[in-house]
Amino acid sequence: NAGVTQTPKFRVLKTGQSMTLLCAQDMNHEYMYWYRQDPGMGLRLIHYSVGEGTTAKGEVPDGYNVSRLKKQNFLLGLESAAPSQTSVYFCASSARTGGTNTIYFGEGSWLTVV
Amino acid sequence: EDQVTQSPEALRLQEGESSSLNCSYTVSGLRGLFWYRQDPGKGPEFLFTLYSAGEEKEKERLKATLTKKESFLHITAPKPEDSATYLCAVQAAGGYQKVTFGIGTKLQVIP
Repeated sequence: NAGVTQTPKFRVLKTGQSMTLLCAQDMNHEYMYWYRQDPGMGLRLIHYSVGEGTTAKGEVPDGYNVSRLKKQNFLLGLESAAPSQTSVYFCASSARTGGTNTIYFGEGSWLTVV
Repeated sequence: EDQVTQSPEALRLQEGESSSLNCSYTVSGLRGLFWYRQDPGKGPEFLFTLYSAGEEKEKERLKATLTKKESFLHITAPKPEDSATYLCAVQAAGGYQKVTFGIGTKLQVIP
């Protein structure tokens, strides 16, 4: 049962470098999300997608870009990494249902920017 | 603005010592309240969804309850393997992305 898979799991970047986090889900979910989790703060939504080819800004989108070219994949890009982007990043997905939104998470990607 | 406050921040229990975790919330039009378990170095794992006041859900030693202002996660006779951080989240009306997470309660169960 793969569910939501993220790569890489760990990465160290120098300030100003760029990188892409990859996310894949095999549950045929319409919705996909990128969150970051920092000590003392709850999970915060960076960007999300309601379907293939669509993206939208979440709570903390600055410094990040996303793309959803295929339904099962959601990519998170950092164009010019900053130390403030040191965090744990979680990709997640959910099905389009009539009411509530049960979100399923990946295992996380630990990013350190030095 | 939707808010979720969890208490206590950390809880240490002896094996078999039952207790409850609290999740207080304010939200514009509650669509659902979620409980997740998060182990160190892992992503949150879904446990329950509660939809309306008075609702209860159970899974093994865990029981979640919901009122109009708060939710409780009751842990009965916990075991060391129940040690984890438990996250609460609420979904507001107006869109699937409107899910607000609490910081979590870190539970440690000592043998």
